Amino acid sequence: AQSVTQPDIHITVSEGASLELRCNYSYGATPYLFWYVQSPGQGLQLLLKYFSGDTLVQGIKGFEAEFKRSQSSFNLRKPSVHWSDAAEYFCAVASNSGGYQKVTFGTGTKLQVIP
Amino acid sequence: EAQVTQNPRYLITVTGKKLTVTCSQNMNHEYMSWYRQDPGLGLRQIYYSMNVEVTDKGDVPEGYKVSRKEKRNFPLILESPSPNQTSLYFCASTRTGGSGANVLTFGAGSRLTVL
Repeated sequence: AQSVTQPDIHITVSEGASLELRCNYSYGATPYLFWYVQSPGQGLQLLLKYFSGDTLVQGIKGFEAEFKRSQSSFNLRKPSVHWSDAAEYFCAVASNSGGYQKVTFGTGTKLQVIP
Repeated sequence: EAQVTQNPRYLITVTGKKLTVTCSQNMNHEYMSWYRQDPGLGLRQIYYSMNVEVTDKGDVPEGYKVSRKEKRNFPLILESPSPNQTSLYFCASTRTGGSGANVLTFGAGSRLTVL
């Protein structure tokens, strides 16, 4: 069964500092990986995705993530955090096999940005 | 505008009073799914549908029903709501193949309180 672990429940960073949010997944084959962001009171918005190819993927709002198969990780990074990045971030893994499609989410990391 | 629309956005009800949360998408997506979001637990899948008249249980289906009579609609039915179903509910949809497959588009969420 596929699973996603986000080990950090809550992270606080200063505005302008760099950010890395951790994500580890468990899946038998090559996974489809995603990062979604949820601003307070909002639905989820896709930040970026990895399906295949280049292991460093760029997303919206200046975010990037790197797929590392050997570590089963897909960490999200941003070089300089803005106050508007305060939100909850969810990593997800998707599978498509035998006509069955499933997306599994991690428990989320809440990001606080301080001045 | 491509979107997933959920109604109602907010609902307070009492134990045992049947309710339906509607979900509609205008993107001709085959796949639709319901999630509930609870603090510390992330998003957990309730039910999903691969296409019209094709539905299946997710990870937490107890106490819920769904139907998929039309491609665009995927209502979530709580026949006899209980307080442990108090949660934030999200409907999402995506294609099952081609470009954009597995990338979920989310509704804005429906916050349900069962007293």
